[in-house]
Amino acid sequence: AQRVTQPEKLLSVFKGAPVELKCNYSYSGSPELFWYVQYSRQRLQLLLRHISRESIKGFTADLNKGETSFHLKKPFAQEEDSAMYYCALRDPGGYNKLIFGAGTRLAVHP
Amino acid sequence: KAGVTQTPRYLIKTRGQQVTLSCSPISGHRSVSWYQQTPGQGLQFLFEYFSETQRNKGNFPGRFSGRQFSNSRSEMNVSTLELGDSALYLCASSLMGQGYEQFFGPGTRLTVL
Repeated sequence: AQRVTQPEKLLSVFKGAPVELKCNYSYSGSPELFWYVQYSRQRLQLLLRHISRESIKGFTADLNKGETSFHLKKPFAQEEDSAMYYCALRDPGGYNKLIFGAGTRLAVHP
Repeated sequence: KAGVTQTPRYLIKTRGQQVTLSCSPISGHRSVSWYQQTPGQGLQFLFEYFSETQRNKGNFPGRFSGRQFSNSRSEMNVSTLELGDSALYLCASSLMGQGYEQFFGPGTRLTVL
């Protein structure tokens, strides 16, 4: 079965430091992957999707099929980046069904 | 345009009762999906409706059911509530079937005592 793994529950960095939130997936075909973010007291929202290959709020994520990874990166963290981040895989046979990782809480300290 | 709305936002029930949660998608969206979020299991897919038809279902017992109306509004029902059903229930809507961004609602926090 398809699975998404986010190995870190908490990632704590200082402002201005680089950030890498890890995501690994298990799926042998061509995956459709997403990063969702949930800021404090806000709803879950899409941050970026791999097929669009865009940078949102300074974040980028590259799909590495060889390592089955889709890590989220930002060169210089800001305090406003503090949030819960979820990596998600669209179930290939499941229309809009998303398979989520457990999430990583990013805490950016001043 | 207004986002996805869910009612009620908070609900307290006792074991054995049943509950109905409601989700109003963004205007024009035809797909509605439901997720259960718990600290232990994270976000888990319940089911998806598109044009009033359930087209996908997650691994939840039959006590969990749902439906979608002609205006795309959706409801989910949980019967014979158990303590483990305490969770945040999220719904998400998207414009069409697949490949479109899903927009999440704020969730309904269900507590089962």
